Amino acid sequence: GAVVSQHPSWVICKSGTSVKIECRSLDFQATTMFWYRQFPKQSLMLMATSNEGSKATYEQGVEKDKFLINHASLTLSTLTVTSAHPEDSSFYICSASRTEYNSPLHFGNGTRLTVT
Amino acid sequence: DQQVKQNSPSLSVQEGRISILNCDYTNSMFDYFLWYKKYPAEGPTFLISISSIKDKNEDGRFTVFLNKSAKHLSLHIVPSQPGDSAVYFCAASALKGTYKYIFGTGTRLKVLA
Repeated sequence: GAVVSQHPSWVICKSGTSVKIECRSLDFQATTMFWYRQFPKQSLMLMATSNEGSKATYEQGVEKDKFLINHASLTLSTLTVTSAHPEDSSFYICSASRTEYNSPLHFGNGTRLTVT
Repeated sequence: DQQVKQNSPSLSVQEGRISILNCDYTNSMFDYFLWYKKYPAEGPTFLISISSIKDKNEDGRFTVFLNKSAKHLSLHIVPSQPGDSAVYFCAASALKGTYKYIFGTGTRLKVLA
């Protein structure tokens, strides 16, 4: 089955620094990947759609300059949280899907970011 | 505006009995629905899906029912097992081919041994 790998699984950083999270599709090519964020006891909120070879599409309210997304290849998308602040602390999850219509999204295991 | 709602934040069921998780949606354009299971500190795991052209889909112990007129779907797990204890999210998609999913708030299922 499809596997999506996300790295790192957790990271602690100081305020003002940047953190990069990687998302890889391991056994299929993903022209589109999605980045979600989950606050404690809340739903998964879509942050942005990562498109291979083009700019990401951000959801309303998500700062594109703070959450930089790069989809350099068909198997890799990265999310960089720039100048992180404590309020950016959250659980970030990426997902990808095969290209067939109505194929389910498969999720990575998420990255717990803590900004001190 | 929460387009996908799971009104029960938690549910407890005895092992071997049926678990029924409910989900309501407001957007009549949704045409694809999914259920995901999530453990703490892990990403969601896909369980089962249903297209709007169907009203039932079954996969082993999991069955999803869709009632389009009521804008309601449900996940039935039978028999429930302690390993089913997790948070369950329903998700809906309205835009063909874009895989843009809207998730519900989740229901925490606890299966008691």
